[in-house]
Amino acid sequence: DAKTTQPPSMDCAEGRAANLPCNHSTISGNEYVYWYRQIHSQGPQYIIHGLKNNETNEMASLIITEDRKSSTLILPHATLRDTAVYYCIVRVNTDKLIFGTGTRLQVFP
Amino acid sequence: EAEVAQSPRYKITEKSQAVAFWCDPISGHATLYWYRQILGQGPELLVQFQDESVVDDSQLPKDRFSAERLKGVDSTLKIQPAELGDSAMYLCASSLAAYPPSGRAGAGELFFGEGSRLTVL
Repeated sequence: DAKTTQPPSMDCAEGRAANLPCNHSTISGNEYVYWYRQIHSQGPQYIIHGLKNNETNEMASLIITEDRKSSTLILPHATLRDTAVYYCIVRVNTDKLIFGTGTRLQVFP
Repeated sequence: EAEVAQSPRYKITEKSQAVAFWCDPISGHATLYWYRQILGQGPELLVQFQDESVVDDSQLPKDRFSAERLKGVDSTLKIQPAELGDSAMYLCASSLAAYPPSGRAGAGELFFGEGSRLTVL
């Protein structure tokens, strides 16, 4: 079973920051937080992952709370191409991915 | 950039027929996964291979589904006979990661193919 809770849908204006929340209150000390996204009719795409510290790459930033019970994925300047389903997943690194139902992000002009 | 290749992209079949999907992972990736995604849901893991060995097939309906990766490279997922409820997207993914999990950061990223969409009539 998925160990995360995400809102089913969110909207964001193009050019604004999209902040996608995720609750993972039962996360274990050796579990990482991973984010993937799935654009319509394509396979999921890796975005970012982290353990304790905040992380940033060319796609997004990941903010993990100090108690690690929740996290936020930030797309700093959302574009129409960021419209997708975003999955937050907790896993022991290199173990199988167990997907939930994710958050459907709609970016509008 | 290297990609996971899957075929066919689309398949329409009648119930009780046999169907097969093929996956060619990124070169050098030891771990291969087959996922099934029903419309409106997240992907569900069916089977995980480490090289040619199955390491997890607990969610694979073994009465009708089979999967193999004979030489530890490409893989085939078969359904026989197909049922109406099998209509879904079948996704293949690969990763460098070894099994069991090592905890080593950066080795766990899964790369997915574009999937094979199955419609059973």
